Amino acid sequence: GAGVSQSPSNKVTEKGKDVELRCDPISGHTALYWYRQSLGQGLEFLIYFQGNSAPDKSGLPSDRFSAERTGGSVSTLTIQRTQQEDSAVYLCASSSTGLVYEQYFGPGTRLTVT
Amino acid sequence: QKEVEQDPGPLSVPEGAIVSLNCTYSNSAFQYFMWYRQYSRKGPELLMYTYSSGNKEDGRFTAQVDKSSKYISLFIRDSQPSDSATYLCAIKAAGNKLTFGGGTRVLVKP
Repeated sequence: GAGVSQSPSNKVTEKGKDVELRCDPISGHTALYWYRQSLGQGLEFLIYFQGNSAPDKSGLPSDRFSAERTGGSVSTLTIQRTQQEDSAVYLCASSSTGLVYEQYFGPGTRLTVT
Repeated sequence: QKEVEQDPGPLSVPEGAIVSLNCTYSNSAFQYFMWYRQYSRKGPELLMYTYSSGNKEDGRFTAQVDKSSKYISLFIRDSQPSDSATYLCAIKAAGNKLTFGGGTRVLVKP
């Protein structure tokens, strides 16, 4: 079946612009996660959704970052007024309810802020 | 100190050798232990997860957990050039968040 998909695969934007990153989870997966991976770094947790609710937003680095999920499916991560330090690969993962340890990742969106 | 420490490598081995990877962690509340493989410019792919101390085997892969030492390992037998990738350990405490190590880059030379 189809895996997790993300779009765009690459995004180059100018400092100060807003960007939207999209994630389509595996069909039927109720849990959705966003991570950030900077060059040579491990994955940094950003936010977790269960259905359309986000019970854990503890990893969002600033109020410039926000995310929403609609219809228990697609999620959008929005970064406002982008900064150069926002350059990273943004990864989305999904899992069945309760199976946090069995997350399936998308290919990521590579964001470059110039 | 990071919650999960992992040697970044690179770790270079000849084809057919055993690859040995490990992570240490600091939080004794961690419950589940995962290993992911990540090829260049791809998302991480779940290889194995385990809950208890001891060994878990899946084909050429063996995951080992020692909770008393807060130490986890992944062994890859009969390594192949296609095993060349970055290997990430991930650990889950209570809640819905995974904590990742920084990854170890592995290169298997033909």
